[in-house]
Amino acid sequence: ETGVTQSPTHLIKTRGQQVTLRCSSQSGHNTVSWYQQALGQGPQFIFQYYREEENGRGNFPPRFSGLQFPNYSSELNVNALELDDSALYLCASSLGGDNTDTQYFGPGTRLTVL
Amino acid sequence: GQQVMQIPQYQHVQEGEDFTTYCNSSTTLSNIQWYKQRPGGHPVFLIQLVKSGEVKKQKRLTFQFGEAKKNSSLHITATQTTDVGTYFCAGNSGTYKYIFGTGTRLKVLA
Repeated sequence: ETGVTQSPTHLIKTRGQQVTLRCSSQSGHNTVSWYQQALGQGPQFIFQYYREEENGRGNFPPRFSGLQFPNYSSELNVNALELDDSALYLCASSLGGDNTDTQYFGPGTRLTVL
Repeated sequence: GQQVMQIPQYQHVQEGEDFTTYCNSSTTLSNIQWYKQRPGGHPVFLIQLVKSGEVKKQKRLTFQFGEAKKNSSLHITATQTTDVGTYFCAGNSGTYKYIFGTGTRLKVLA
């Protein structure tokens, strides 16, 4: 196990609703990246947080937002849910802000939007 | 934007046969990571390659990084049923962002 936890495991929402997903990073890790993985696809980078600041963002609209807390845990918020937001949401923690750090993935949250 | 493609998309092999997946980036990479994702699971880090032409081995797995740092491969010798899963490469161009490949789904027939 990686020591990265995510909650909830599964979630069902309807279009237009808002959702918050949570991630606890591995002990000692100050960087968290969030990914969206649609069925049969590779993970797509949403954004990364490093020491409570957004460090970079992928091609996702502003209704995808996040936070990182002083203990380096993190939240992903998605507003105005769309059907295409149905996916596995993964967070990955890494030791520091170096691009060569190993990423340790959590088990993911499976979001279904009806 | 940067794209990372993998071939083949699927591979079915008999147990004991070899398996190779290839990863190609549209841009030069700083480093590349390989992950394995079991069905219903999450990506698990396998290895990272940084140097041009680098070759690394992990038991039956051999990883290579191309001389131009735009392609990479993973070769599994004598596959076992425990090798089943999807193998992803993830390329980095020197920033915070990893671009994952499309993945190769491996099935091993006993």
